Amino acid sequence: KQEVTQIPAALSVPEGENLVLNCSFTDSAIYNLQWFRQDPGKGLTSLLLIQSSQREQTSGRLNASLDKSSGRSTLYIAASQPGDSATYLCAVNSNAGGTSYGKLTFGQGTILTVHP
Amino acid sequence: EAQVTQNPRYLITVTGKKLTVTCSQNMNHEYMSWYRQDPGLGLRQIYYSMNVEVTDKGDVPEGYKVSRKEKRNFPLILESPSPNQTSLYFCASTPGGPIYNEQFFGPGTRLTVL
Repeated sequence: KQEVTQIPAALSVPEGENLVLNCSFTDSAIYNLQWFRQDPGKGLTSLLLIQSSQREQTSGRLNASLDKSSGRSTLYIAASQPGDSATYLCAVNSNAGGTSYGKLTFGQGTILTVHP
Repeated sequence: EAQVTQNPRYLITVTGKKLTVTCSQNMNHEYMSWYRQDPGLGLRQIYYSMNVEVTDKGDVPEGYKVSRKEKRNFPLILESPSPNQTSLYFCASTPGGPIYNEQFFGPGTRLTVL
């Protein structure tokens, strides 16, 4: 059974800092990994999707890496801003057993606060 | 605008009163699913549907029903809601299947069962 862990659970940084969020998963046989952002009381916004054959993906100030063999992914946020404050969720898409559609398993999330 | 919509966004109800949460997507996606999010437990899949008339149970299906009569709609039905179904619910969709494609989530429905 796939398990996803995110560290740290919460992070508070001053504006302008570069920061790293970590995600680890127990079963390396994954299809892809997706990072989401969730604002309080809101839905999930997809940030980056990394296929199992890829090592990293970049979007603006965000860079996500994937090391499938070690079961790890990191989300790097450059020059953080107060608007980046949110909960960041890592979700691993792996075999659901008996289907060809996979199954998303979510981590608990990292609550990020960027203060001015 | 490509999106997943859910209604209602907020709902307070009483134990045993049947309710339906609607989910609709305008992206012609084949795969749709429902999740619930609870503090300390994260997001867990309730049901999913690979296409019209094809549905299957996720991790926590007890107390829920779904139907997929049209490609764009995937309603979540609580026949007899109980307080332990108080949660934040999300509908999601993806084209084809989620193996290679990112999932798009709706804005969420906050349900309180008294």
